[in-house]
Amino acid sequence: NAGVTQTPKFQVLKTGQSMTLQCAQDMNHNSMYWYRQDPGMGLRLIYYSASEGTTDKGEVPNGYNVSRLNKREFSLRLESAAPSQTSVYFCASSVGITTQYFGPGTRLTVL
Amino acid sequence: GENVEQHPSTLSVQEGDSAVIKCTYSDSASNYFPWYKQELGKRPQLIIDIRSNVGEKKDQRIAVTLNKTAKHFSLHITETQPEDSAVYFCAASVAYNQGGKLIFGQGTELSVKP
Repeated sequence: NAGVTQTPKFQVLKTGQSMTLQCAQDMNHNSMYWYRQDPGMGLRLIYYSASEGTTDKGEVPNGYNVSRLNKREFSLRLESAAPSQTSVYFCASSVGITTQYFGPGTRLTVL
Repeated sequence: GENVEQHPSTLSVQEGDSAVIKCTYSDSASNYFPWYKQELGKRPQLIIDIRSNVGEKKDQRIAVTLNKTAKHFSLHITETQPEDSAVYFCAASVAYNQGGKLIFGQGTELSVKP
């Protein structure tokens, strides 16, 4: 099992460009999450999907959209990237509120 | 909504000493409290968790205590080793059947000196 995978690993964007971060899990988990990690601020929840077909806002949803494509895949889209969105993005999955398994992360820089 | 405060932000101990990290939460409905460890350049991984119907849980050198009245919980690491050096995050959640969301603390960078 690959666990939770994320693509790409690194990305550099210019202000105003758009992009989609991809996440997939092969553990048959019902819940999936997107976090951003900035120095000194811990892991902040952007959006989550408790089950296929549902999505909810987290702590910092502004500037992002998500799609739960199916049970395995949960994507995060930046429509018009801003320098404030420079961060490391982690996807995670779980069976309800139990252990969350994290992906390897995507390091995004917005110039 | 839930807010989680974590202290200290950095902690340095000698190998073999104990380390304690403390967290407070704001939502009295929170009932699930995990701790994650993140090594440099790696992804966070769960090391221990506790639910609100339990006051203490141990796993070898790691223990977590929960005080629901005071709304705080702590991570205790005994006999620290250099490989314990990492950033530790606490989190809190209101868990229900369909899941819920974790709110993380700001993290504690633990350094264990040989």
